[in-house]
Amino acid sequence: DIQMTQSPSSLSASVGDRVTITCQASQDISNYLNWYQQKPGKAPKLLIYDASNLETGVPSRFSGSGSGTDFTFTISSLQPEDIATYYCQQYDNLPRTFGPGTKVDIK
Amino acid sequence: QVQLQESGPGLVKPSQTLSLTCTVSGGSISSGGYYWSWIRQHPGKGLEWIGYIYYSGSTYYNPSLKSRVTISVDTSKNQFSLKLSSVTAADTAVYYCARGAYYYDYWGQGTLVTVSS
Repeated sequence: DIQMTQSPSSLSASVGDRVTITCQASQDISNYLNWYQQKPGKAPKLLIYDASNLETGVPSRFSGSGSGTDFTFTISSLQPEDIATYYCQQYDNLPRTFGPGTKVDIK
Repeated sequence: QVQLQESGPGLVKPSQTLSLTCTVSGGSISSGGYYWSWIRQHPGKGLEWIGYIYYSGSTYYNPSLKSRVTISVDTSKNQFSLKLSSVTAADTAVYYCARGAYYYDYWGQGTLVTVSS
């Protein structure tokens, strides 16, 4: 299985701050990487697919980049409604695997 | 707008079989082009992909669960189902159904299944 790691595991930032989360795959996964947002008690929501493509309806303050083994997810200006846990997920190989998540809250 | 809804018992006894159904509305499973997946989340933990099915019945399961998992589809009811046999407390989780094989763009709300006697 491809192992996904994320850092940091949690972070606190102020409203308006730029927030960056990294995701690393245990092997080259090209750009086969997605990002999800999960709020407490809710299902995950797809934000970014194919490493850098913004899902329809998702605010443009969210972005993704990277390829190979190293990926970055960015919130350009943190908003109160962005409080959530963020997960990366690879689809280069089966079984699909997710990162352990990064919990984002407001300082 | 595609919607998915999980249903099934919230409590299952150890060694028994967990059975869940996902009903899809706003789109037809048999129209093709999409795989239909099950994903679970242990309490306070991350996400674990269980497996997926195509409308034709083609499946792929996570090897970590393969010996205990069966995913099936009923196109006449626009539903797909999950069976997980010989459950233990380690199978206590929120179970989600979702659309997709590569990325998951529509999800059910999730259903908590507790394994306990």
